[in-house]
Amino acid sequence: SQTIHQWPATLVQPVGSPLSLECTVEGTSNPNLYWYRQAAGRGLQLLFYSVGIGQISSEVPQNLSASRPQDRQFILSSKKLLLSDSGFYLCAWSVSPWETQYFGPGTRLLVL
Amino acid sequence: DAKTTQPTSMDCAEGRAANLPCNHSTISGNEYVYWYRQIHSQGPQYIIHGLKNNETNEMASLIITEDRKSSTLILPHATLRDTAVYYCIGHSSGANNLFFGTGTRLTVIP
Repeated sequence: SQTIHQWPATLVQPVGSPLSLECTVEGTSNPNLYWYRQAAGRGLQLLFYSVGIGQISSEVPQNLSASRPQDRQFILSSKKLLLSDSGFYLCAWSVSPWETQYFGPGTRLLVL
Repeated sequence: DAKTTQPTSMDCAEGRAANLPCNHSTISGNEYVYWYRQIHSQGPQYIIHGLKNNETNEMASLIITEDRKSSTLILPHATLRDTAVYYCIGHSSGANNLFFGTGTRLTVIP
């Protein structure tokens, strides 16, 4: 069966520091991968999605970037964190863009 | 994707059926109705989805009205672990984004 992992589970970072969040998927090949952010008490906002290695689409302009160095690895990064980057970051995967998305456990980021 | 409307909160007695309604009057013909739930501080969990016909799986049943303007998620025997925020989402094929609104906060009461 397929599983999706995210780490770290929680992270506290100072403003201006770099960021690297990792997501990996097991048990499937060539998944579609997604990064979402959920602000406190609000819905999910799609940040990036990827249909293959090295292929990244950005949904909103922001301080973050994403990379997909391997088939089942998706990384969310920032060179300098802002206070507004705080939130709950969720990685998801699907077999194809129009099929069910399955979410990871999330990373809670607090920027101070 | 269609805008969906759900009640803000609901309570359900443990062991009873929980019926969660969703209105999606602007849903288009190629949009599926998806249900996810999110337990506090966890990632959303997929529950079920459907297009026209009613669907049932090991977690829940989904009843979609004939005009597809509304649906109901049914948890047949609610347990305390079903306490969560439940999201109803209209999602079209080819669309990457899942639009999660505010959902319904279901509280299962002992």
